[in-house]
Amino acid sequence: DTGVSQDPRHKITKRGQNVTFRCDPISEHNRLYWYRQTLGQGPEFLTYFQNEAQLEKSRLLSDRFSAERPKGSFSTLEIQRTEQGDSAMYLCASSLWTSKGNQPQHFGDGTRLSIL
Amino acid sequence: AQTVTQSQPEMSVQEAETVTLSCTYDTSESDYYLFWYKQPPSRQMILVIRQEAYKQQNATENRFSVNFQKAAKSFSLKISDSQLGDAAMYFCAYKGSARQLTFGSGTQLTVLP
Repeated sequence: DTGVSQDPRHKITKRGQNVTFRCDPISEHNRLYWYRQTLGQGPEFLTYFQNEAQLEKSRLLSDRFSAERPKGSFSTLEIQRTEQGDSAMYLCASSLWTSKGNQPQHFGDGTRLSIL
Repeated sequence: AQTVTQSQPEMSVQEAETVTLSCTYDTSESDYYLFWYKQPPSRQMILVIRQEAYKQQNATENRFSVNFQKAAKSFSLKISDSQLGDAAMYFCAYKGSARQLTFGSGTQLTVLP
């Protein structure tokens, strides 16, 4: 079990730049989630995929944010024209859903984004 | 919308002692799951224990157990025989008909040697 992998672990960028994060879920997991966690707070839901389909997006996901999961495997989260308020930990999680129900979500280490 | 409240920002416990972390939630759904996740510093979030709302029996995982009070919408975590490795941020989370988890704000647990 290789777990959920996220890359990079840390990203420092200047305000206004674009950034892209990658998440590789556990191989057999068909659901993939993105969360954002600010310091001292619990994670907040951003968006989720079942296979390659993006099925739900939070109001937190402004039009500067876009997520993809081509071929239902890895996912990318892109933030365009970054702002100071985008500084946070971005967490990816995956789970297996079957007709028998949904298994718990497994989280990656996260990508910490710092906007200068 | 569902909300999860953790009223204890910080807790401390002596090694080998027992500590209870509190969590309350608000929902109009009858079928849901509750979770406790542990997040050590700079490390990934790990599932500690989960409870299905339709089960009356409280979940137990080794030294970790829950007190699930459905009518009161309360879901506390008890850690017995606390170890130094238990030190972490603990998050209570809810999952209902929506696919995503709703988290509380967390409780920072310190274990004193």
